[in-house]
Amino acid sequence: EIVLTQSPATLSLSPGERATLSCRASQSVSSYLAWYQQKPGQAPRLLIYDASNRATGIPARFSGSGSGTDFTLTISSLEPEDFAVYYCQQRSNWPHTFGQGTRLEIK
Amino acid sequence: QITLKESGPTLVKPTQTLTLTCTFSGFSLSTSGVGVGWIRQPPGKALEWLALIYWNDDKRYSPSLKSRLTITKDTSKNQVVLTMTNMDPVDTATYYCAHTIAAAGTLDYWGQGTLVTVSS
Repeated sequence: EIVLTQSPATLSLSPGERATLSCRASQSVSSYLAWYQQKPGQAPRLLIYDASNRATGIPARFSGSGSGTDFTLTISSLEPEDFAVYYCQQRSNWPHTFGQGTRLEIK
Repeated sequence: QITLKESGPTLVKPTQTLTLTCTFSGFSLSTSGVGVGWIRQPPGKALEWLALIYWNDDKRYSPSLKSRLTITKDTSKNQVVLTMTNMDPVDTATYYCAHTIAAAGTLDYWGQGTLVTVSS
C-alpha cells in the first residue's frame, strides 16, 4: 500500500502569514492526490482534488501543486478559521490511504 | 443537497461484531459512478480508510482489515452497512461514511461521524 508522509507534523504561524504543507508518497500517485481540512469535532472537508483543483466553495487562498511523489498545499494568507489539521489522501492505488496529518496552529 | 449520517452502537464489547449503518439522501447508489466509503479516526489520531462500495456492487477493503470487514448496500433504503468482526479496544474510533464519485475518487461529502468505544 502507498504510504503518505506529511511534514511538518505541526506548523506554528500567525494570521496573515503563508503556510506551506508537504505530502510525500512512497511511490508515484500521478496527480491523484487530495487535501482535506479537519477542525476539532468536525468531519473532514475536501479542499483540493487531483493535486491542484479546488473543491466547490473553497477560497482562492488555498492552492495545491505537485505530481508523482511530492505535493504541496499552500495557504497564501492565513485566516483565523484556517487553523486546523490537514490531511492528504491518494486515490492512485487501493487502499486510498491518508497521510498522518499536519496540525496548523496559531503562533 | 447530499447528506449522510452514521448510526450504530456507541459501546461494544471486545470480540463482538460492530454493525454501522450509513443513511444518506440527495443521491442514489443506483446511479452510475456513485460510491460510499467508510473511514475511521481513533481519538487524537489520523484518518484511516476502511472500505468502499460502488453503485455496481464493486467493493474495496483495507488489506489490513479485509478479513474483518464486510460492506453492503441497500439501494431501496439509501443505506450502506459496514460490519467489523472481533472488535478490540484499538478499534475505538469515530467512524465516518462519505460520498464519492468513481471518476473523481475523492470523498466530497461526509457524515458527522459516530464514536464507537470498545470496552468490557
